[in-house]
Parts: sequence; structure tokens; C-alpha cells
Amino acid sequence: DGGITQSPKYLFRKEGQNVTLSCEQNLNHDAMYWYRQDPGQGLRLIYYSQIVNDFQKGDIAEGYSVSREKKESFPLTVTSAQKNPTAFYLCASGPLSGNTIYFGEGSWLTVV
Amino acid sequence: GQQLNQSPQSMFIQEGEDVSMNCTSSSIFNTWLWYKQDPGEGPVLLIALYKAGELTSNGRLTAQFGITRKDSFLNISASIPSDVGIYFCAGQLESGGGADGLTFGKGTHLIIQP
Repeated sequence: DGGITQSPKYLFRKEGQNVTLSCEQNLNHDAMYWYRQDPGQGLRLIYYSQIVNDFQKGDIAEGYSVSREKKESFPLTVTSAQKNPTAFYLCASGPLSGNTIYFGEGSWLTVV
Repeated sequence: GQQLNQSPQSMFIQEGEDVSMNCTSSSIFNTWLWYKQDPGEGPVLLIALYKAGELTSNGRLTAQFGITRKDSFLNISASIPSDVGIYFCAGQLESGGGADGLTFGKGTHLIIQP
């Protein structure tokens, strides 16, 4: 089936740890995105990428890192520098025009 | 970044009622999209609008791209229990390069009372 697959669905992080969220798409989309969702704050853009080996910071990139080694994959690393990482993380992809975005099912990250 | 004003923030309705929500901005948009998000899931695209004045339906859902290109509305007719969720509007700014995708509203939380 075509779509965007995020894993894991639930992840727990200890203080000081880096964790990586996976995102894979088989829709042949050029653009990929990571959003963070907190209650009452809507969606905030973390990073986006239009092409392999290139990515740009979004509105809240501090404490996060990404890579785009393959067109299909755009993993997000939440580093220990991110002070408040507990949130719902959404990966998305779409055409290069940026006028339509499709979302994965999301990953919950909780700091313990 | 630029925010869309989405209203109402929440709606409490009876099953069978019609629903209307909208998004407005002071900026001009090239595209308007409407998504629905169920608890703990990713948003699902409901309707996409790419032309000013465009009116598009998807089953009981109807959305329109405002002719000023600064607003859009979504109507749901004869609501049913599975319509419960959060509805987001999103748009692509005319002034933006497009690379960073869409601007999102904060959502309308639809609740159906028994």
C-alpha cells in the first residue's frame, strides 16, 4: 500500500538521550517534512527537505536534527539539547510545489 | 510564522446538525486544504482547493476557496458520530516560495453531544 510510515508509534526517552524517529514514504514525493504538535498549539514545522542530501530548518529546529540520504526516508533525531521534547511528532510528504501535504500516523515521544 | 485564524475553536452539536467552520487571513493564499485528525492519529486530507472561488464536495463535506483568496470555509451536513475530531485548515501563501509547505490553522474541535 502507498503511504507514509512512521515508527515507532510510542517512544520513551530518558533525560540526556538522543532518540530517532523513522519516516518512510513510497509515494515518490520529493518534499518531506517534520512537524511537532502540542495541545492547543496546532502544527509547528521542525525541518523540511526538497531533495536528497539537502534540508532546511523550520520554525522550531533547535534541539532536532535530520538527514535525507534517500528520497524515501527522512528520519528525525531528537537530541538531548531539546529541552521539552514530549510531544506528538508528524512526518509528512508532498510534491515539490509544496501545495499539498500528506501525513503519516504520528509518533508519541515521552520523556521519563 | 504566519498564522491562519480558524474558528470556531470548538463546536458542540447534536447528531444530524449541519456544521460550518472557516479560516481567514490577512494574506493571500494559492491553495486551501482541509484536514481531519482523529485522536492519536495523523491528519487526513479531506478536500484540496487550488483556485479562487472553487467549491468542492466530498460526500457530506463541502469546502470553498474564497474569492478574495484570504479565506476558506468547510461545511459538514447531517453530522454523524464519526465526524468527531479536530479539523484543520491549511494554505500555501502566495508570497512564500512554497518550499516550506503550508501554513496551518489551530484547528476546530468538533464534539457531538448525545
